[in-house]
Amino acid sequence: QSALTQPRSVSGSPGQSVTISCTGTSRDVGGFKYVSWYQQHPGKAPKLIIYDVSKRPSGVPDRFSGSKSGNSASLTISGLQAEDEADYYCCSYAGSYTEVFGGGTKLTVL
Amino acid sequence: QVQLQESGPGLVKPSQTLSLTCTVSGGSISSGFYYWTWIRQPAGKGLEWIGRIYTSGSTNCNPSLKSRVTISVDTSKNQFSLNLTSVTAADTAVYYCARDNEYHFDYWGQGTVVTVSS
Repeated sequence: QSALTQPRSVSGSPGQSVTISCTGTSRDVGGFKYVSWYQQHPGKAPKLIIYDVSKRPSGVPDRFSGSKSGNSASLTISGLQAEDEADYYCCSYAGSYTEVFGGGTKLTVL
Repeated sequence: QVQLQESGPGLVKPSQTLSLTCTVSGGSISSGFYYWTWIRQPAGKGLEWIGRIYTSGSTNCNPSLKSRVTISVDTSKNQFSLNLTSVTAADTAVYYCARDNEYHFDYWGQGTVVTVSS
């Protein structure tokens, strides 16, 4: 069970869109609909922002969207805002009732 | 509103057992079809799924930690617990408990720092 692969960092200016990728294998991301994304601000617990690849929990702005193609999933944040600056983690069901996280991506809002 | 709170020693000696408890409030740990999960995060690093338990006692664990991890539940106290044996400095991390709602974690505790050091 290897960690999913995410870019270490991405950046964008306010108002722009950014996309964070999450690459796995057919045994995790590619094999199931259970990809979720979490936002983590410094010193805080992670917060669920996307589940089941593209669903948003109540209260999460529709600026956040998720998708999947093959063994890779993506999180897109449109209309970037200063408060979006945080670490983002993907997570996938990995079979045999186990789950695996990505290494995390630091988003900088320029 | 479901709330989770981790508790336990902040300092554990090498080779000893790390023991943490998560107390769930705002709802019964037995209601619904949820698993209750442990996740950890070393300082400056990413999240690692440790394992989870259902209120029936059924557990699933990260294969890399399985030989050292025990997760248990006490429904009468609305709590679940983590025991991690034979700890080393590599087990130093923030430990989170969370609710697993069909393979996504919708409620999290605030996290508790555990340092392994003599």
